[in-house]
Amino acid sequence: DAEITQSPRHKITETGRQVTLACHQTWNHNNMFWYRQDLGHGLRLIHYSYGVQDTNKGEVSDGYSVSRSNTEDLPLTLESAASSQTSVYFCASSENPTDYNEQFFGPGTRLTVL
Amino acid sequence: KQEVTQIPAALSVPEGENLVLNCSFTDSAIYNLQWFRQDPGKGLTSLLLIQSSQREQTSGRLNASLDKSSGRSTLYIAASQPGDSATYLCAVLTGGGNKLTFGTGTQLKVEL
Repeated sequence: DAEITQSPRHKITETGRQVTLACHQTWNHNNMFWYRQDLGHGLRLIHYSYGVQDTNKGEVSDGYSVSRSNTEDLPLTLESAASSQTSVYFCASSENPTDYNEQFFGPGTRLTVL
Repeated sequence: KQEVTQIPAALSVPEGENLVLNCSFTDSAIYNLQWFRQDPGKGLTSLLLIQSSQREQTSGRLNASLDKSSGRSTLYIAASQPGDSATYLCAVLTGGGNKLTFGTGTQLKVEL
């Protein structure tokens, strides 16, 4: 069965370190997304991609970057981790066309920045 | 900027009760609306998706309606069960067609 996976599932790091969270989908979806979920804020969009070599900033992109070198993967990098980036991170994917664009979510990565 | 509100924030009901969860959004120019379920410590499971041209969708005991002009959606759960206990999130797809804006969710507890 097609799926979307994230790794690691849990990560503890220190302030200032670079961290990369992996996201891999086997649906061959063009669109991939990264969200963070925080109490009181719900899920907020960090970055998204509509295809290989395409990346776009979302609502809360400062301090994060993504790259899309193939269809299946969209790694999220925290350039210099900050305590404010402690959160649960979700990756999602969807297929075109726009008018029926159901998004499917991965299991999440819980990141703690000390 | 699209804003999505869910009421109530938390709900506790006895098993067997029918219940309604509410979702409202400020910008009616949406492509679709999606309802999700999230169990504690888990990811999001898509329950129902309603396209902008549709009025409702049904899956088993779940029925979701959409009134785009008034910016409202409801999720109706019939004959609730303890296994329905979870947080329910609604999200609307707007602004370029691929970006979801989420509400903060309704935490549902169904008691025996």
